[in-house]
Amino acid sequence: DQQVKQNSPSLSVQEGRISILNCDYTNSMFDYFLWYKKYPAEGPTFLISISSIKDKNEDGRFTVFLNKSAKHLSLHIVPSQPGDSAVYFCAASDTGGFKTIFGAGTRLFVKA
Amino acid sequence: DSGVTQTPKHLITATGQRVTLRCSPRSGDLSVYWYQQSLDQGLQFLIQYYNGEERAKGNILERFSAQQFPDLHSELNLSSLELGDSALYFCASSVSGQGENEQFFGPGTRLTVL
Repeated sequence: DQQVKQNSPSLSVQEGRISILNCDYTNSMFDYFLWYKKYPAEGPTFLISISSIKDKNEDGRFTVFLNKSAKHLSLHIVPSQPGDSAVYFCAASDTGGFKTIFGAGTRLFVKA
Repeated sequence: DSGVTQTPKHLITATGQRVTLRCSPRSGDLSVYWYQQSLDQGLQFLIQYYNGEERAKGNILERFSAQQFPDLHSELNLSSLELGDSALYFCASSVSGQGENEQFFGPGTRLTVL
């Protein structure tokens, strides 16, 4: 039972354009969402998060949008840079809970 | 560098064997998580410890066990290994283990079962 789904295994974007990575979840108990970025041969690193009391959170070139009614969130990267090429994992948890459920990841390629 | 260390980096062993993976959390973090990443799969949550106590369990097989020691380092024991256990095993740590806490990941241990 995949509670967090990233339906696009990969995404290719031109440098300077917008990258949009999508994530859907099924468990309505989730109220905190995180994005992690992973380069080859390294562990994932935290990128940005959002609480369910917000619908948008921005950090530099990275913005996460949350649509609770659709149980959908997205990560926007603007402008995309070649160094953004990595695997991006969406993760969900319930605050006060202890499990964090990760999606399968989306591999982003940013072409120079 | 996340501050989380994992040893060994690579491990090659045979089916039926037993191995131990080790993790040292970031200084000050009380919670440790273990994840398994098989080929082209996401991060499968295995188990979480907080200050020496098991706090949450995910899809961890009965052949696998873990513990967190008083110095907060953790070990993941995998026994009766099968070919399908070949994967990257990540350890992560966080301050309190709550869902909203950022997790800091180690570089992973790549296990190959032949």
